[in-house]
Amino acid sequence: DVKVTQSSRYLVKRTGEKVFLECVQDMDHENMFWYRQDPGLGLRLIYFSYDVKMKEKGDIPEGYSVSREKKERFSLILESASTNQTSMYLCASSSHTGELFFGEGSRLTVL
Amino acid sequence: AQRVTQPEKLLSVFKGAPVELKCNYSYSGSPELFWYVQYSRQRLQLLLRHISRESIKGFTADLNKGETSFHLKKPFAQEEDSAMYYCALKRGYSTLTFGKGTMLLVSP
Repeated sequence: DVKVTQSSRYLVKRTGEKVFLECVQDMDHENMFWYRQDPGLGLRLIYFSYDVKMKEKGDIPEGYSVSREKKERFSLILESASTNQTSMYLCASSSHTGELFFGEGSRLTVL
Repeated sequence: AQRVTQPEKLLSVFKGAPVELKCNYSYSGSPELFWYVQYSRQRLQLLLRHISRESIKGFTADLNKGETSFHLKKPFAQEEDSAMYYCALKRGYSTLTFGKGTMLLVSP
């Protein structure tokens, strides 16, 4: 089974803090994604990467950055967390078939 | 622009009743569509994709290009079908655009 692991299930941070969300996949997938999931808004794509050191903006990249130094790892960075970034963050990976495999999610609360 | 619309936030049915979760899309090219499901306390997972034309857990979905729809159907709902369902449209680089989701509640 494909395994996508997000390092933190729950985080509580203060406004202005720098936040790192880590994601690792074990199936040698080229593509990796970060979405945020909010009630009534569904899933919205923040950033994605189709290769090591490559990154592309999704639909809502403002306030976020990403890092992909190794194929299996894709990190989401909030340089200065704000309360409107309180959300569930989902990491996913995919192969050429296009099926996304999701992690369990990281619930971030910014106070 | 690509867009996926799920008009119902919540759909509540009784066990054994038919279920139809609606999904409409807008896309200029040849669409590739998916249904994902999230059961309580579980990760989001693929339910079915229109290309494979298979039935998973009794659910089917037919792509109707004329009506730009990809509705999810099941003839007899079960309590274990209660979950959040997302319709998704594939765009470039294997990225998916998701709808806002429909919560299905199946009551005994």
